[in-house]
Amino acid sequence: EDQVTQSPEALRLQEGESSSLNCSYTVSGLRGLFWYRQDPGKGPEFLFTLYSAGEEKEKERLKATLTKKESFLHITAPKPEDSATYLCAVQNSGGYQKVTFGTGTKLQVIP
Amino acid sequence: DSGVTQTPKHLITATGQRVTLRCSPRSGDLSVYWYQQSLDQGLQFLIQYYNGEERAKGNILERFSAQQFPDLHSELNLSSLELGDSALYFCASSVDRRGGVSTDTQYFGPGTRLTVL
Repeated sequence: EDQVTQSPEALRLQEGESSSLNCSYTVSGLRGLFWYRQDPGKGPEFLFTLYSAGEEKEKERLKATLTKKESFLHITAPKPEDSATYLCAVQNSGGYQKVTFGTGTKLQVIP
Repeated sequence: DSGVTQTPKHLITATGQRVTLRCSPRSGDLSVYWYQQSLDQGLQFLIQYYNGEERAKGNILERFSAQQFPDLHSELNLSSLELGDSALYFCASSVDRRGGVSTDTQYFGPGTRLTVL
């Protein structure tokens, strides 16, 4: 069964203090790995899709990287508006190509 | 704005009742997915429809059912509601260019918050 584990569960950063969120996964065959941002009571907002080890994608202060066992979401010089829960999900390459979500990392950026 | 719409935004009902949640996917998307998110818990996949047909089932209770109509909007029906069914229900859609198999990113709607009293 596919599994996604995100760490830490919660992270508190000072504004400008860079850090990384981790997403460890086990999947029979990786079709894609997704990062989403979710604000309280809102729907997840798509950030990135990564397909193969070594791939990197960037968007403003966020950079996602992928290895064969994990993905990192690097946050450079975060701002208070980056506070949210960040979700990681994997899609397997099997018959149905099921998507499995992790439970997320809750990020708080303090001014 | 993802382009996925869900109605209603909020729903308050009593135990034992039945409700219907509605989802309109992004223009051009053929697949619709339903997820449940309870307080401080992860997203639990319930069911997927592709172009009107059920494609895959996740952890969906027998009291719950869904369908996708010819215009591609979808409805999730929840019956004999229990207190534990209180949650956010999200709909997501994707293009699925290849025969119903999910090959594209899922875009989520704003959700329906269900409260069962």
